[in-house]
Amino acid sequence: DAGVTQSPTHLIKTRGQHVTLRCSPISGHKSVSWYQQVLGQGPQFIFQYYEKEERGRGNFPDRFSARQFPNYSSELNVNALLLGDSALYLCASRELGHLRAGDTQYFGPGTRLTVL
Amino acid sequence: RKEVEQDPGPFNVPEGATVAFNCTYSNSASQSFFWYRQDCRKEPKLLMSVYSSGNEDGRFTAQLNRASQYISLLIRDSKLSDSATYLCVVNEAGTASKLTFGTGTRLQVTL
Repeated sequence: DAGVTQSPTHLIKTRGQHVTLRCSPISGHKSVSWYQQVLGQGPQFIFQYYEKEERGRGNFPDRFSARQFPNYSSELNVNALLLGDSALYLCASRELGHLRAGDTQYFGPGTRLTVL
Repeated sequence: RKEVEQDPGPFNVPEGATVAFNCTYSNSASQSFFWYRQDCRKEPKLLMSVYSSGNEDGRFTAQLNRASQYISLLIRDSKLSDSATYLCVVNEAGTASKLTFGTGTRLQVTL
C-alpha cells in the first residue's frame, strides 16, 4: 500500500508569490492534517480536514488556507509568501477524525518550501 | 511557556549505552501522548504511544506521569541506527487531530 504522498518535494518561490501544496492520504484514510516545520523546531499544526470539512485550525494567518476533495486528497495554499514561510510542510493522514489513545497518524515525506 | 518542552540536546552516547529523554507538557487536559522519531530531512515517524501504566517496545520504554505532566523515553543498548531526533508529542482532549510537538531531542550514537 502506498503511504501518504505529497507534491512537489521541493519548491522555490519569491516573496509575495502564492504556492499550492498537495497531499494524498493513505487509501481509506479520511482525515488529513497539515503541519509546518521550521528548521530546528518541531512541526506546528496548521489545519485538519475530515470528510471535506475543516475540523481544526492552528495559529496561522489567513494567508494560509486549505481544502479537502471528495477523494480525501488535500491542498494547502499560502498567499503573499514571506521569508518566514520557508519550512518543511508535512501532511499527515488518519482513518478517523478524532484521535484515540494509541492511534497512529502517518506523515508524508513533506514539501520543502524555500522563499527567497 | 512552551506547550511541550524538551531538552534539544544533542545527546552524544557510545553504542550500547542507556539514554533517557524527558519532556514536560503544560496543558493538563492533554489526553494522548506519543514519541515520534525524525531522521535528518525526513518526516516524523511514530515510535510509540505512551500510556499511564508505562509501556515497553523492545529496547524502548516510555513512561507518563500525569500528576507531574511529565513524559520520558528510555533507550537501552543504543545502536548507531538510533541516531535521530526524538519528538515528544501530546494531543489535547477535544482538539481532534491537533498534535503538539516539542522541539525534539537530538541523539547521536557513536562507536
